[in-house]
Amino acid sequence: NAGVTQTPKFRVLKTGQSMTLLCAQDMNHEYMYWYRQDPGMGLRLIHYSVGEGTTAKGEVPDGYNVSRLKKQNFLLGLESAAPSQTSVYFCASSYSRSGGAGKEPQHFGDGTRLSIL
Amino acid sequence: GQNIDQPTEMTATEGAIVQINCTYQTSGFNGLFWYQQHAGEAPTFLSYNVLDGLEEKGRFSSFLSRSKGYSYLLLKELQMKDSASYLCAVRRAGNMLTFGGGTRLMVKP
Repeated sequence: NAGVTQTPKFRVLKTGQSMTLLCAQDMNHEYMYWYRQDPGMGLRLIHYSVGEGTTAKGEVPDGYNVSRLKKQNFLLGLESAAPSQTSVYFCASSYSRSGGAGKEPQHFGDGTRLSIL
Repeated sequence: GQNIDQPTEMTATEGAIVQINCTYQTSGFNGLFWYQQHAGEAPTFLSYNVLDGLEEKGRFSSFLSRSKGYSYLLLKELQMKDSASYLCAVRRAGNMLTFGGGTRLMVKP
């Protein structure tokens, strides 16, 4: 029962470096999400995907790109890291139907702690 | 815009009852979720309300009033392991969630 798996768990980058955060889910969920969590600000949606090959911007998309080439994977990229992107990043997945699957929540990975110096 | 408010911190005693409030003003409403998040861990689902009223699940209950834009999470018979952050989230169109800032609950012996 893996659920949602994120790699890596920790990473330290220098300003200007690039990296990709990986998210994989084994629950056959249609929707996948990337959030960042900063002290006192709760979880904020960066980008999301409603299915394979689709992506959309969330609340705070600037400085990030995403790709959903396979249904089970959702990648978050930082092209040129900045200190303001120091945060904890969470990936989540869910079913798409808010009606028939109304109670079905989003399921979260364990997070990636990213520090940018 | 979206606005979800919760107290930042609360303290309660082991064995007691605590109520964590959440008020919201959002464009669109399709249910309200409560998540629990222990320090350094992922948020985990606690409860869901879409109709007015109380939902009970063991020691945890959640209440919703859509007309007032108000929900609360009630934790009974508090245990030390209940020390965590509690996140209120409103679901809008599709399955998009908007989260409040979270309430950090400290349970003392």
